[in-house]
Amino acid sequence: KQEVTQIPAALSVPEGENLVLNCSFTDSAIYNLQWFRQDPGKGLTSLLLIQSSQREQTSGRLNASLDKSSGRSTLYIAASQPGDSATYLCAVMNRGSWGKLQFGAGTQVVVTP
Amino acid sequence: DTGVSQDPRHKITKRGQNVTFRCDPISEHNRLYWYRQTLGQGPEFLTYFQNEAQLEKSRLLSDRFSAERPKGSFSTLEIQRTEQGDSAMYLCASSPSQRAYNEKLFFGSGTQLSVL
Repeated sequence: KQEVTQIPAALSVPEGENLVLNCSFTDSAIYNLQWFRQDPGKGLTSLLLIQSSQREQTSGRLNASLDKSSGRSTLYIAASQPGDSATYLCAVMNRGSWGKLQFGAGTQVVVTP
Repeated sequence: DTGVSQDPRHKITKRGQNVTFRCDPISEHNRLYWYRQTLGQGPEFLTYFQNEAQLEKSRLLSDRFSAERPKGSFSTLEIQRTEQGDSAMYLCASSPSQRAYNEKLFFGSGTQLSVL
């Protein structure tokens, strides 16, 4: 049974520092892994999608890597800004479960000015 | 704004009452999903539609829950005889085509339900 874990649950960094967020999963039989951002009381915004055949995806200051064999993904946010403060969630789409995402509990990030 | 729209944003109800939520997906998106999120947790899958057909329901979706997507456009999620444990954020998402295994999901802002 797939389990998705995000550690730490919360993280605080000063502005300008790089952010490193971790996601681990127990079953490598996935179609893709996605990273989302969630602001308090709001819905989810898709950040990056990495297909199972890919090693990484980049968008602006964001870079996500995927190591399927070890069951790990890392989201890097370069030169963090206070506007990056949010909860970041990773989710996997398991093989045989088209369209359904299984989420981790998220990492709450605070970037202090 | 052509994103996923959910209504209402907030709903407060008394235990035992029925509630209904609406989701309008992005135009021409074939797939529509419902998720539930409790405080401090990631969203959990409830059900999804391919056009008007409800293809899968999670075991989380008890008999008190029913979802519809008439004509493959908007969707409604109804909870009958609400319980305090139903208090959560109910999120709707859509994706554009039938090749859903490598597509991003677009989420709405959610409906926050509080059952007193």
